[in-house]
Formats: sequence, structure tokens, C-alpha cells
Amino acid sequence: AQTVTQSQPEMSVQEAETVTLSCTYDTSENNYYLFWYKQPPSRQMILVIRQEAYKQQNATENRFSVNFQKAAKSFSLKISDSQLGDTAMYFCAFMGYNNNDMRFGAGTRLTVKP
Amino acid sequence: NAGVMQNPRHLVRRRGQEARLRCSPMKGHSHVYWYRQLPEEGLKFMVYLQKENIIDESGMPKERFSAEFPKEGPSILRIQQVVRGDSAAYFCASSPGTSMYNEQFFGPGTRLTVL
Repeated sequence: AQTVTQSQPEMSVQEAETVTLSCTYDTSENNYYLFWYKQPPSRQMILVIRQEAYKQQNATENRFSVNFQKAAKSFSLKISDSQLGDTAMYFCAFMGYNNNDMRFGAGTRLTVKP
Repeated sequence: NAGVMQNPRHLVRRRGQEARLRCSPMKGHSHVYWYRQLPEEGLKFMVYLQKENIIDESGMPKERFSAEFPKEGPSILRIQQVVRGDSAAYFCASSPGTSMYNEQFFGPGTRLTVL
């Protein structure tokens, strides 16, 4: 069974600085997808970024980028130039290539301080 | 194109009552997924449905919980004889089911409170 671990329950960062959220996972599959979701106080789940395991290049979306280390089964999220609106819960998620359900980590609560 | 719709957004039930949660997928989407989020936890997969078929219900409790996605109308997650431990946020997601990678689009969730 796939498991997703987020070892940082809470983190904080000063506005405009950079922060990295950690995520590790366990799987025996070779092809899969990884995601970072943001859940603000509204509780809406918002896709931040996704990575296909067969792609070696790290995904990037504006201020958000990932460090995908397939051998280490690590998938960290880097947020550059943090903004107050980035304050939210962040969930790492795994989906197998031939599966349809996502496995989520327990989340990291990020607070951006002015 | 409206996003995934869920209603009600908030539902309060007393122990022993039934809860019905509705999910209308995005237009053109034929796959629906239900997830449960307990306080301070991540989402846990419950069930995956296509029109009129349950594809994977491995995450759904065997008793009291059922789900359907009829040919017409929304998907329904039904919880019979609710208990306090059922209090959670229930999220629905949908995907088109036509591509190799089926991105799931999430609804706003239904927060169920059992008194």
C-alpha cells in the first residue's frame, strides 16, 4: 500500500522569504503521479503543482517548484517570495499510474508572517 | 463551466439519523470520487464511481455507508444511523475519465456534524 508522510505538522515563514515543505512516500510502483494541494481556511482543495514520476525535470508553477528525488521517494515543495495568501494547509498526495484514488499526507500548516 | 458542486455545505444530524451528501460533477465528467477528512488530518479515499457503477469502494466502511452515481442526477453518499465519529468534512472530486491522466477536481466539501 502506498503511504505518504509529511513530517512537518506546522511551519512558518516571513513574507517574501522562501520555505520548503517536505514529503516522502512509499510505493513499489515505477510510474505514478505526485501532487501538492493547498487548503486555505475556506477548505477548498486547490491543486498547486503536480509531477509525473517518469519525468526527470522538476515541475515549476510560478513561485512554486518541487524537488523530486525518485530514488529517495522524496517530493518537497519550495515556495519562493512567500505571500500572506500562501497561508494554508498543504497536502502532498500520491496517485498510482493505474489507480484512481489519491493517497494524502497528514498535511503541513504553513503560516506566512508579515 | 461550473466546478464540482456539493450540497449541503454544512449538515447537522443527531446520532441515529441519516445523512445524505450530494455531489454534482463538472460538466462532461463521468468519474466521481469521495474522500473524508477528519479534523487535522489529510483526505482519505472512500469510493470511486462511474455512472451507475462502483469501481472501487475499498476505503468505505462496510456498514452504514453507501454511495451511488445514477445515470441521471448527482452522486449521493449516504450514511445511515450516524455516530459522532462520522463528523468530518466529506469531499467529492470528479474527472473526465477520458485521458491517461485523470486530474481530479475537488468540490468545496460538506461539513457533517453529528450531535
